[in-house]
Amino acid sequence: EAGVTQSPTHLIKTRGQQVTLRCSPISGHTSVYWYQQALGLGLQFLLWYDEGEERNRGNFPPRFSGRQFPNYSSELNVNALELEDSALYLCASSRQGAEETQYFGPGTRLLVL
Amino acid sequence: QKEVEQNSGPLSVPEGAIASLNCTYSDRGSQSFFWYRQYSGKSPELIMFIYSNGDKEDGRFTAQLNKASQYVSLLIRDSQPSDSATYLCAVMVDYKLSFGAGTTVTVRA
Repeated sequence: EAGVTQSPTHLIKTRGQQVTLRCSPISGHTSVYWYQQALGLGLQFLLWYDEGEERNRGNFPPRFSGRQFPNYSSELNVNALELEDSALYLCASSRQGAEETQYFGPGTRLLVL
Repeated sequence: QKEVEQNSGPLSVPEGAIASLNCTYSDRGSQSFFWYRQYSGKSPELIMFIYSNGDKEDGRFTAQLNKASQYVSLLIRDSQPSDSATYLCAVMVDYKLSFGAGTTVTVRA
């Protein structure tokens, strides 16, 4: 069974730019979660999508947004990039429902200069 | 108070010893608890999940949950150099997974 996949693996952007990260969940999983892991800050919950709807959101500004497509893949968009957005962005998927076990993808490492 | 707190480490144990990792959480309503392992530069990998009070064993790993004390732990028996990693405790709170800061374990050969 293929795991969660993410693209791209690495990305370099400059302040003010916009970025889109992509995630494909494990087959059969309908929930997709996004996390940010910045240096020294640990894993922070960003967004949860299930059946195409945003179900929950972490304490991040509105310039972090996303969507989930009918095939359950997901995009995370970050507008007006700031230096502190430099982090590893992790996508996880689970069967339907937030109480289910989440499995992580390899992540996208974003560097904002 | 942080939602999930772990002993900060780092924790250094000799090969073959038991590594003991601790985690406390603040939300009494939490029902699901997870331990993930993260190697440097890699994404978290699920080790175990536990929902009920008591012990749950999987190979060399044992998770222990005490909801009354709001405490969950992970024991790694017969520690191997390949167990050297950061271990993340995660607790389901308000339909989102809250992570502790992690405990870095180094197993000395």
